[in-house]
Amino acid sequence: NAGVMQNPRHLVRRRGQEARLRCSPVKGHSHVYWYRQLPEEGLKFMVYLQKENIIDESGMPKERFSAEFPKEGPSILRIQQVVRGDSAAYFCASSPTAVSGNTIYFGEGSWLTVV
Amino acid sequence: DAKTTQPPSMDCAEGRAANLPCNHSTISGNEYVYWYRQIHSQGPQYIIHGLKNNETNEMASLIITEDRKSSTLILPHATLRDTAVYYCIVRSQGVQGAQKLVFGQGTRLTINP
Repeated sequence: NAGVMQNPRHLVRRRGQEARLRCSPVKGHSHVYWYRQLPEEGLKFMVYLQKENIIDESGMPKERFSAEFPKEGPSILRIQQVVRGDSAAYFCASSPTAVSGNTIYFGEGSWLTVV
Repeated sequence: DAKTTQPPSMDCAEGRAANLPCNHSTISGNEYVYWYRQIHSQGPQYIIHGLKNNETNEMASLIITEDRKSSTLILPHATLRDTAVYYCIVRSQGVQGAQKLVFGQGTRLTINP
């Protein structure tokens, strides 16, 4: 997985706390995607961002979840007031442009456990 | 996005070629076919993608039929480490550029010793 870095790899939060997941895309990539994978389920798209802009957030829950990709620094997926159902693996991916045919690379994921 | 249909599971003997089929009968002319795999507890790994022509890289070959309604991923000499869930995805071109990847259920490929 060519250089998409996610941290933390594992995060434990108590119910009601906030979780912040960070994603540094491949150097030079300006497009970031976040996916969620619940235990024993498939990957579900959450949000697609370009630098400083949200392009597609059709998969984001309406409440408690937000994402940003600032001009400088990593992309952040923020989950406020976490609940047990938020326990999942969160994967970030990046691509260089919006041109069809480019490759999207995934990170190794951040595993969130809510206790 | 065009939908894809894959068998839920397949088995292959180690050292043999693994041929994974995918149907995408509603694919449009500008939509690419992508293949990814996910080994347990890891992030999805890019394998290969193509538009019309057959493609080959160090991991696999992608054969796309002339009408583009189906494709086959070929792992030429499968090893135990190729055991994974394989996803065939058709990626469309949206209004603001290429769209996200939409994952289906994939094919769970098991390589047997």
